[in-house]
Amino acid sequence: GNSVTQMEGPVTLSEEAFLTINCTYTATGYPSLFWYVQYPGEGLQLLLKATKADDKGSNKGFEATYRKETTSFHLEKGSVQVSDSAVYFCALREYGNKLVFGAGTILRVKS
Amino acid sequence: DTAVSQTPKYLVTQMGNDKSIKCEQNLGHDTMYWYKQDSKKFLKIMFSYNNKELIINETVPNRFSPKSPDKAHLNLHINSLELGDSAVYFCASSQGTSDYYGYTFGSGTRLTVV
Repeated sequence: GNSVTQMEGPVTLSEEAFLTINCTYTATGYPSLFWYVQYPGEGLQLLLKATKADDKGSNKGFEATYRKETTSFHLEKGSVQVSDSAVYFCALREYGNKLVFGAGTILRVKS
Repeated sequence: DTAVSQTPKYLVTQMGNDKSIKCEQNLGHDTMYWYKQDSKKFLKIMFSYNNKELIINETVPNRFSPKSPDKAHLNLHINSLELGDSAVYFCASSQGTSDYYGYTFGSGTRLTVV
């Protein structure tokens, strides 16, 4: 079946550091890909998405590019803030709009 | 405010009890979902309804029964609760089964079975 693999966390960075969270997927065809973010005590929020190869999703300074040749959708941000501390989930879409999530990566940003 | 709202936010109950979690969305969406998040933050879909019709029913124990009285509501009833049912349960909604708008999630119900 389809699956998503994310780098294990926690990832701990200082404020203004560069962030990369790796995400690779296994799927039949070319599914839409997503990054969701979960702040403490809250539900998940859609951060960005890409629906086809070479698409770049971006939002709030975060970016991810759909790379079909490497089946990857790595999340990047040039300068993280303390307020970015959260759990980040990579996901792909299956039939019926079912989302298959990765295990989540905890990001901690220190001031 | 437009949102997906779940009640209760916290639920502590004893093994063997029966409990329900309610979910309501006022976004006008016609598809709703239940996801379970375990203690390691892993999320897995349980059920999905589109216009009150069950369209996704993953392999979950039949002690879990979803009910959708209308397209704005999707409730989850759990019979004979077990320790392993302890988790955070998230309700979500989307417009149809297109991924164009993504999901809108509720803030979760933390279920603790003791």
